[in-house]
Amino acid sequence: KAGVTQTPRYLIKTRGQQVTLSCSPISGHRSVSWYQQTPGQGLQFLFEYFSETQRNKGNFPGRFSGRQFSNSRSEMNVSTLELGDSALYLCASVTQPSGRGSTDTQYFGPGTRLTVL
Amino acid sequence: DQQVKQNSPSLSVQEGRISILNCDYTNSMFDYFLWYKKYPAEGPTFLISISSIKDKNEDGRFTVFLNKSAKHLSLHIVPSQPGDSAVYFCAAAPTGGGADGLTFGKGTHLIIQP
Repeated sequence: KAGVTQTPRYLIKTRGQQVTLSCSPISGHRSVSWYQQTPGQGLQFLFEYFSETQRNKGNFPGRFSGRQFSNSRSEMNVSTLELGDSALYLCASVTQPSGRGSTDTQYFGPGTRLTVL
Repeated sequence: DQQVKQNSPSLSVQEGRISILNCDYTNSMFDYFLWYKKYPAEGPTFLISISSIKDKNEDGRFTVFLNKSAKHLSLHIVPSQPGDSAVYFCAAAPTGGGADGLTFGKGTHLIIQP
């Protein structure tokens, strides 16, 4: 079974631009979560999607948004990029969330390394 | 305010010895804890988990201990092997009434020396 795939793997943008990252979950997984990893803050939860609906959202500004398609693939978008948005963006999938907080094992993709200049 | 803390950014251990990685949490709503291992340029990989109804869970060379009263958990790796060199993240999730995703610590970089 193929793992979680994320595209692109690397991206360089300049301040003020916007970016769209893509995530394809493991086949059969319907829940997708996004995380931001930075050296200073570690791994931080961005949002979670299930059945094309955003179920949970972390403490990030409205410039960060996402969506999920009917095939469970997900995209996240960051508008008006800032230098501080440079990070590794990780996507994780799980069969389906259990309760409001998923404790099922999440499988992570390799991430998209975003550099904002 | 960090709810999950890994106070050691890095840890160096000799091959064959025991590695002990520590994690503290502040949110008493957390009742499920996980450890992830991450190599450079790869996503985190699930290692082992523990529910708050237990105080120990073992899987091969990896054992996680949970001390609920101290809000502390630790991951023991014995014996340590060179392939264990990676960043280890502690993560926590609350009971079904909360949790917006997993809350992660900042990670501990484990270096296994030959």
